[in-house]
Amino acid sequence: GAVVSQHPSWVICKSGTSVKIECRSLDFQATTMFWYRQFPKQSLMLMATSNEGSKATYEQGVEKDKFLINHASLTLSTLTVTSAHPEDSSFYICSASNRQGLGEKLFFGSGTQLSVL
Amino acid sequence: RKEVEQDPGPFNVPEGATVAFNCTYSNSASQSFFWYRQDCRKEPKLLMSVYSSGNEDGRFTAQLNRASQYISLLIRDSKLSDSATYLCVVNRPYNTNAGKSTFGDGTTLTVKP
Repeated sequence: GAVVSQHPSWVICKSGTSVKIECRSLDFQATTMFWYRQFPKQSLMLMATSNEGSKATYEQGVEKDKFLINHASLTLSTLTVTSAHPEDSSFYICSASNRQGLGEKLFFGSGTQLSVL
Repeated sequence: RKEVEQDPGPFNVPEGATVAFNCTYSNSASQSFFWYRQDCRKEPKLLMSVYSSGNEDGRFTAQLNRASQYISLLIRDSKLSDSATYLCVVNRPYNTNAGKSTFGDGTTLTVKP
């Protein structure tokens, strides 16, 4: 199956700093990537859909100026949590899709646990 | 009403038991359906796709009923290693503006010795 690499796995940072999370598709071109957030004992909540070469589409209630998404190439999308605060502490996961070769299955990164002090 | 609803669980079963999870979806235009398994603080991993004809993979059987907008997952002869959260995932068509996957809240299964 396809491989999606996400890093870092863990981030601990001070309140007010910005954190960048990278998501790379290693063996296929990901025309679309998705960013999710998951709080303990809750399901994945889609934050935004990232399309290569265009602006991300954010879900309702997600602040686009706080969660900056860049999908500059077919293999890399980044999520930057700007001016992070303790309430941003969560598990962030990316997934990638290749509609052409691999159907609509999602391939997930291993997730990033963000802890803001 | 949520777009994808699952049995709330949790399910606590003994080893060897058969357990079934149910999932309903509200968007009749949904095109593809999956069951994912997620272990604590790990990424979801695809367990199986779900087809109208039903599909089986070892101890796991998935079924889709489009008329009732209902998906099921059956696990036979439960193993300790089956303990996890099972996520029902429904995809809208990609030719819509909202083409994306919608996740159910998940059903937690604990298999005990």
